Order: sequence, then C-alpha cells, then structure tokens
Amino acid sequence: EAGVAQSPRYKIIEKRQSVAFWCNPISGHATLYWYQQILGQGPKLLIQFQNNGVVDDSQLPKDRFSAERLKGVDSTLKIQPAKLEDSAVYLCASSSSGLAGHGELFFGEGSRLTVL
Amino acid sequence: GESVGLHLPTLSVQEGDNSIINCAYSNSASDYFIWYKQESGKGPQFIIDIRSNMDKRQGQRVTVLLNKTVKHLSLQIAATQPGDSAVYFCAENPNQGGKLIFGQGTELSVKP
Repeated sequence: EAGVAQSPRYKIIEKRQSVAFWCNPISGHATLYWYQQILGQGPKLLIQFQNNGVVDDSQLPKDRFSAERLKGVDSTLKIQPAKLEDSAVYLCASSSSGLAGHGELFFGEGSRLTVL
Repeated sequence: GESVGLHLPTLSVQEGDNSIINCAYSNSASDYFIWYKQESGKGPQFIIDIRSNMDKRQGQRVTVLLNKTVKHLSLQIAATQPGDSAVYFCAENPNQGGKLIFGQGTELSVKP
C-alpha cells in the first residue's frame, strides 16, 4: 500500500515570496491533516479536512496560509507571502478513522521549507 | 491552553538497557493517546496507542502506561537497540474530531 506522498521535499525561498506544497493521502482516507513542525518542536496542526470540507483551521494563519482539497483527495498548502518564521517542515497526514473515531495518523516524509 | 509536554528533552541509554520516556498531558478530556517515533528527515511513525479506558498496553518490545489520575504517559522500550535512536513524541486526541496534539519530543540516543 502506498503511503502519504508529499512534494517537494525541499524548498528554499526568500521572504515575501510564495510557495505551495502538495499532498496525496493514502487511498480511501477521508481525513487529511497539515501540520507544521518547527525544528526542535512537535508537529502543530494547521488544518484538518474531512473529504473536501474544512473541519478545523483554527491554528492556520489565514492572512498568509491557505489550503484546499477540492476533490476530496489530494491537497495543496500555500504560503503567500512567506516570513522567516515559516521555516519549518510541513507534514501531511491522513487517517481512515473519521471525525468520531480514534486511530493512527499516517504521515508523509514532509516538505522542508527554508525562508531566507 | 491544551498542551502535551515531555519531562526530558534528551535521553541517552546503553544498548540492551531498557528506556523509559515520559509525557505529561493537560487535557483531562483526552481519550486516546499515541506514541510516534521520528527519525531524522522522516515523518513520524506510529509505535503504539492506548485508549483512556486502559492503563497499560504492550506491543513488540514496547509498553505504554497511562495514569489518568496525574495525566501522565510513559513509553517503555525493552532491550533498546541502536535502531531505536530517534525523537519520540506523545500525542493526545482531545476528543475533538480525530486531531492529535503533539508534545515537544524526547531525543533518544542509544550507545553501542
């Protein structure tokens, strides 16, 4: 079974530029998450989708971050304009457990962003 | 606010010894907990989970203990191996739609 796919693995940009990350979850997983992991810290949830709807985006800096999952499968996370403090690894995860269940989140390898 | 924290940021053990990694959580409504292992340059990988109606769960070489009275989790790794070297995170589900809240992490270093 293929895992969660993310691209690009690495991206270096200058502040005020824009960047987009792509995620393809495990086939059949309805729930998709984007986490931000700053070096030396645990992952922090940015946004949670259930199919193509947003369940929780309370921690997403909406003035610069946006995410979509238009067809309920793959997802894109965009940052525009980027700030130095956005340097982090952006992790995508998916789950088959749904909103009422409990279960493992399967993570991708992450996209490492460096903002100069 | 909600938080999951770890007592020790680093842990160094000798190969073959047992390791214990601790975690404190703050949300008494959390009903599901997971331990993840993260190797350098990789995403977190599931190790073991436990529901709040249990106080102990065993896997292969790993045991998770849950003490709800003091809101404490621990991960025990038996006969620690060099391949166990990684950062370990505990995460809690605060019973809010499946999301997980992660702690800071503990870096485990295994000396051969």
